[in-house]
Amino acid sequence: TQLLEQSPQFLSIQEGENLTVYCNSSSVFSSLQWYRQEPGEGPVLLVTVVTGGEVKKLKRLTFQFGDARKDSSLHITAAQPGDTGLYLCAGARGSTLGRLYFGRGTQLTVWP
Amino acid sequence: NAGVMQNPRHLVRRRGQEARLRCSPMKGHSHVYWYRQLPEEGLKFMVYLQKENIIDESGMPKERFSAEFPKEGPSILRIQQVVRGDSAAYFCASSFGLGEETQYFGPGTRLLVL
Repeated sequence: TQLLEQSPQFLSIQEGENLTVYCNSSSVFSSLQWYRQEPGEGPVLLVTVVTGGEVKKLKRLTFQFGDARKDSSLHITAAQPGDTGLYLCAGARGSTLGRLYFGRGTQLTVWP
Repeated sequence: NAGVMQNPRHLVRRRGQEARLRCSPMKGHSHVYWYRQLPEEGLKFMVYLQKENIIDESGMPKERFSAEFPKEGPSILRIQQVVRGDSAAYFCASSFGLGEETQYFGPGTRLLVL
């Protein structure tokens, strides 16, 4: 069973479009991290959100942590081909220190 | 560049051989985590180590798999008598401390068992 469900699994859009990726769970997390992974490489950290309701912006990327700390979203404005990659959300729980629970990821393709 | 280092990047083994995967954490980090990524699946936690201690190995198969993080040198994930189902990408991550929940990942080792 997957503790974190990501949707959509695949997303193919044109350059300039906006998109939102969702990461949902029925469990509470002490923090949630978003990573991007390129083929043949390891996940690269984008952001960590800790507080319920927290919103963080990273240039054209906006990350939100749900008020109840059970879900998160990643919104990209005016997507560019360089945004193409596998986006992963990962949650940490206080009851299992150290372990991150990963979603299966959203494969984003942005066409020029 | 003081990022997480893993070697080898690619490893080919025949069934029954041993695989040794190495991980050097970021400078100043004393917590190491190993994850496995199978095709069509997300990353799955295997083991969490501090220097000379295994903190949580609940995600690691009880047979054939072992991990260590000695006082000196890299962390080692060891797979004995490999089988085809062990073929996967193995990632190491490190963090500064237990309270620092942000983990930084290495580039991974792709293991192929023939």
